[in-house]
Amino acid sequence: GDSVTQMEGPVTLSEEAFLTINCTYTATGYPSLFWYVQYPGEGLQLLLKATKADDKGSNKGFEATYRKETTSFHLEKGSVQVSDSAVYFCASREAGGSYIPTFGRGTSLIVHP
Amino acid sequence: GAGVSQSPSNKVTEKGKDVELRCDPISGHTALYWYRQSLGQGLEFLIYFQGNSAPDKSGLPSDRFSAERTGGSVSTLTIQRTQQEDSAVYLCASSLERERTATDTQYFGPGTRLTVL
Repeated sequence: GDSVTQMEGPVTLSEEAFLTINCTYTATGYPSLFWYVQYPGEGLQLLLKATKADDKGSNKGFEATYRKETTSFHLEKGSVQVSDSAVYFCASREAGGSYIPTFGRGTSLIVHP
Repeated sequence: GAGVSQSPSNKVTEKGKDVELRCDPISGHTALYWYRQSLGQGLEFLIYFQGNSAPDKSGLPSDRFSAERTGGSVSTLTIQRTQQEDSAVYLCASSLERERTATDTQYFGPGTRLTVL
């Protein structure tokens, strides 16, 4: 079945550092890809998404590019802030079949002042 | 507008008791999902309702788990004869999905933290 693999955390950075959180997926077709963020004590919320190959999703300074050739959707941000501390989930969803989204295990990001 | 709401926010119960968890999706959203989130784990899919289609129950871990969605809106997840391994955060999400699609965003509620003693 489909799967999503994320780098294990926690990722600990200083404020203004560059962030990369790796995400790779397996799928039989061409899924839509998502990054969700979960702030402490809250539910998940969409950060960005891309629905076809080579699309770039972006929001709040975060970016991720749908790379079909490497089956990846790595999340990047040029300069993190303390307020970015949260858990980040990568997810994929294929059209056809069950349509059930597949989530990675989540990567905790801790940003120190 | 109002987001997805869940109640209760916390539930502590004794092993063997039944519990009901409630989800109020965003008005007009045709799709509703239940997930379970255990410490250090990702989201475990439980059940998916979409419009008038038969629900996808493929993620329910045992026959102690059931869910219903009344009138295409509110959903209740019921766990019978709770076990300690049922302790987790139960998340509900809804999405617009006028038809089955893989591109729509899911909107999540804050979750219900269930503790089984």
